[in-house]
Amino acid sequence: SAVISQKPSRDICQRGTSLTIQCQVDSQVTMMFWYRQQPGQSLTLIATANQGSEATYESGFVIDKFPISRPNLTFSTLTVSNMSPEDSSIYLCSVRHLLNRETQYFGPGTRLLVL
Amino acid sequence: DAKTTQPTSMDCAEGRAANLPCNHSTISGNEYVYWYRQIHSQGPQYIIHGLKNNETNEMASLIITEDRKSSTLILPHATLRDTAVYYCIVRDGGATNKLIFGTGTLLAVQP
Repeated sequence: SAVISQKPSRDICQRGTSLTIQCQVDSQVTMMFWYRQQPGQSLTLIATANQGSEATYESGFVIDKFPISRPNLTFSTLTVSNMSPEDSSIYLCSVRHLLNRETQYFGPGTRLLVL
Repeated sequence: DAKTTQPTSMDCAEGRAANLPCNHSTISGNEYVYWYRQIHSQGPQYIIHGLKNNETNEMASLIITEDRKSSTLILPHATLRDTAVYYCIVRDGGATNKLIFGTGTLLAVQP
């Protein structure tokens, strides 16, 4: 399995500001993903973080709102820009391991509250 | 749209087997059935996956019908710590295919 850490674990932010969430994996992984889980809802895929190139966004998500970086095989960041209360969610990093591509692992999540 | 249908919620007595059903009638030949669970306030946890054959690991068993249109996740001896939302997901075996979550089943294990 892969051990995934996220920073911060939680935050309270003012509307109009931006927050960058970091995801660190303890081993090299082939794919990294970012999900959002709104209160009481299931997980929604935001984008696939691609190493060395622009992320691939799902329908309804755009780079200007959720810029993503992935500088290497073990690290990625997701920024939530110009936040509004509707962005209050849990944001989860997820990875597929280089040696076991069939299984996907999830980080503990970052709990964001926007006031 | 999610490719699976699950009951919204289920109860199970502690110590008994929990059988969680999932319908995936439109599954194609190269798609796997995955099960994850999410305990409150945690990230989803991988449980098991299968293609055609039944599978068993230290956490659970996965029974897939012969026509592959439905499956059942079995927790043989449910404990209170198994209370969680269980997600049944159909995913292509390709390396780039995405894991798309449906609404899942809230399993409540009762003492």
